[in-house]
Amino acid sequence: DTEVTQTPKHLVMGMTNKKSLKCEQHMGHRAMYWYKQKAKKPPELMFVYSYEKLSINESVPSRFSPECPNSSLLNLHLHALQPEDSALYLCASSRRQGGADTGELFFGEGSRLTVL
Amino acid sequence: TQLLEQSPQFLSIQEGENLTVYCNSSSVFSSLQWYRQEPGEGPVLLVTVVTGGEVKKLKRLTFQFGDARKDSSLHITAAQPGDTGLYLCARGGTSYGKLTFGQGTILTVHP
Repeated sequence: DTEVTQTPKHLVMGMTNKKSLKCEQHMGHRAMYWYKQKAKKPPELMFVYSYEKLSINESVPSRFSPECPNSSLLNLHLHALQPEDSALYLCASSRRQGGADTGELFFGEGSRLTVL
Repeated sequence: TQLLEQSPQFLSIQEGENLTVYCNSSSVFSSLQWYRQEPGEGPVLLVTVVTGGEVKKLKRLTFQFGDARKDSSLHITAAQPGDTGLYLCARGGTSYGKLTFGQGTILTVHP
């Protein structure tokens, strides 16, 4: 069982829709991440929040908008997506961003997004 | 960009066979992590190796970190269908905080 909870598990949306993915962790971790993963490929980093501040944005298109309401929650707002954005979106957390703890990540089970 | 080369990319074996997955880099890294991702799930951390020459065991899985800290291997003994999944090595521990993944190894163990 993962201690990082993602909702919804599956989402189908049209290109004009606005939807959000949600992530929650109660491990006291101070860094949270959004990754995008295509089938049979490694996860690709999108955003990193450290101490509730956005610290890394991997040149992600503005149709993806992250939000960190508090240290336990991370949202990803989706608007005007394209079919090629269909993927598994993974949330992860770590004790902190980098540093001596080797940055071990705890992943959620992911949200499977299909854009029609 | 410090790349991690992972091999093989695909591995299809019968139950009971042994296998080894390799992860190599041209540069030294301070630590390396191995994750397993089962179909429909997120990646799960298996182990972190930090010391050159280190060997760690997790039941039938043996992880090695090269003496020069540029390579690592994962050996599975007597593979079982439950071992099926995507195996990922990842370089961590940078102050920048960005985890670099290898390309992954898709392992299928047939009953």
